[in-house]
Amino acid sequence: GAGVSQSPSNKVTEKGKDVELRCDPISGHTALYWYRQSLGQGLEFLIYFQGNSAPDKSGLPSDRFSAERTGGSVSTLTIQRTQQEDSAVYLCASTYGGDRKEQFFGPGTRLTVL
Amino acid sequence: GENVEQHPSTLSVQEGDSAVIKCTYSDSASNYFPWYKQELGKGPQLIIDIRSNVGEKKDQRIAVTLNKTAKHFSLHITETQPEDSAVYFCAASKATDKLIFGTGTRLQVFP
Repeated sequence: GAGVSQSPSNKVTEKGKDVELRCDPISGHTALYWYRQSLGQGLEFLIYFQGNSAPDKSGLPSDRFSAERTGGSVSTLTIQRTQQEDSAVYLCASTYGGDRKEQFFGPGTRLTVL
Repeated sequence: GENVEQHPSTLSVQEGDSAVIKCTYSDSASNYFPWYKQELGKGPQLIIDIRSNVGEKKDQRIAVTLNKTAKHFSLHITETQPEDSAVYFCAASKATDKLIFGTGTRLQVFP
């Protein structure tokens, strides 16, 4: 079946512009995660959605970052007034939730801020 | 909260040799320990996981061992092949909490 998809695959933007990154999770998955991965680095947790519960936003690095999940499915990560240090690969993952914890990752969006 | 440390950060082995990557965790209540493999340009993919009710799990050339007392777990890859070259991440979690990932190990297998 279809896996997690993300769009766009690459995004180049100018410093100060806003960007929106999209994640389509696997159908039926109730939990959705966003991570940031800088070049050659590990997975930096950003935000976590689980069903109808309030999202865990503890990883968002600043108030320029926000995310929403509409209808319990598609999620959008928005970065306002982008800075060069925002350049990274943004990964989305989804899971069935609860005790079923295997995370299925999308291919990521490579964001470059000039 | 949970903290996961992973060593080494890079590992180079000759094809056919074994590779071992080690992780330690801080929260004794953690009960789920997966390992992910990330190939260049792709998202991480689960390769093996273990729950706290067992001490070892094997799947062909890969195995994971868990020592709950010492709060560490390890990934073992035997008979390494060039296609095993990738970045490997360990993780830990408890109950329905989110996964906490280690910092990753870049494994290079030389032919």
